[in-house]
Amino acid sequence: SQKIEQNSEALNIQEGKTATLTCNYTNYSPAYLQWYRQDPGRGPVFLLLIRENEKEKRKERLKVTFDTTLKQSLFHITASQPADSATYLCALTMDTGRRALTFGSGTRLQVQP
Amino acid sequence: DAGVIQSPRHEVTEMGQEVTLRCKPISGHDYLFWYRQTMMRGLELLIYFNNNVPIDDSGMPEDRFSAKMPNASFSTLKIQPSEPRDSAVYFCASSPRFNWETQYFGPGTRLLVL
Repeated sequence: SQKIEQNSEALNIQEGKTATLTCNYTNYSPAYLQWYRQDPGRGPVFLLLIRENEKEKRKERLKVTFDTTLKQSLFHITASQPADSATYLCALTMDTGRRALTFGSGTRLQVQP
Repeated sequence: DAGVIQSPRHEVTEMGQEVTLRCKPISGHDYLFWYRQTMMRGLELLIYFNNNVPIDDSGMPEDRFSAKMPNASFSTLKIQPSEPRDSAVYFCASSPRFNWETQYFGPGTRLLVL
């Protein structure tokens, strides 16, 4: 079965630096890959979606890359701010016929002022 | 739009009791999803509906769990009887017909079964 691996250890960085989070998956490549943000006590919030035929997607300070050869996605936050502190979840769509997302366990990001 | 609405936000019950969680999706969305989140297993899809019809319930843990969507603006997830291992945060999410991948989550219901 498909496995999604995100670094379970928290990532601590200084304000202004670029945060880079990793999502690795096994087996076959997904049709779509998404990143969500989750704050404590709240539901996940959609950030970015990238398709298998796209290499990179940007939105403001966010950038996602998708390498189907490495079976990896990288999520970057440039000029990070304390307000970016949250847990970031990677989600895959395995089969476009089944409207289901498979989520990684998430990586907690802590941006220090 | 108020977003996805879930109730109650917190529920504490005793083992063996029936628990009903409620969800109001975003108006106009065709898809509704129920997820469960725990520290051990992360965020798992339980069931999803398309136009009020259950499409895939393969994630429902066992027969104690059931979900309904009687109309486009309301869904319930019921656990009967509840067990301590059902303790988790249950999320409802909805998405529009032509962009189902982008799911809008509710605030969740934190369930504790004693």
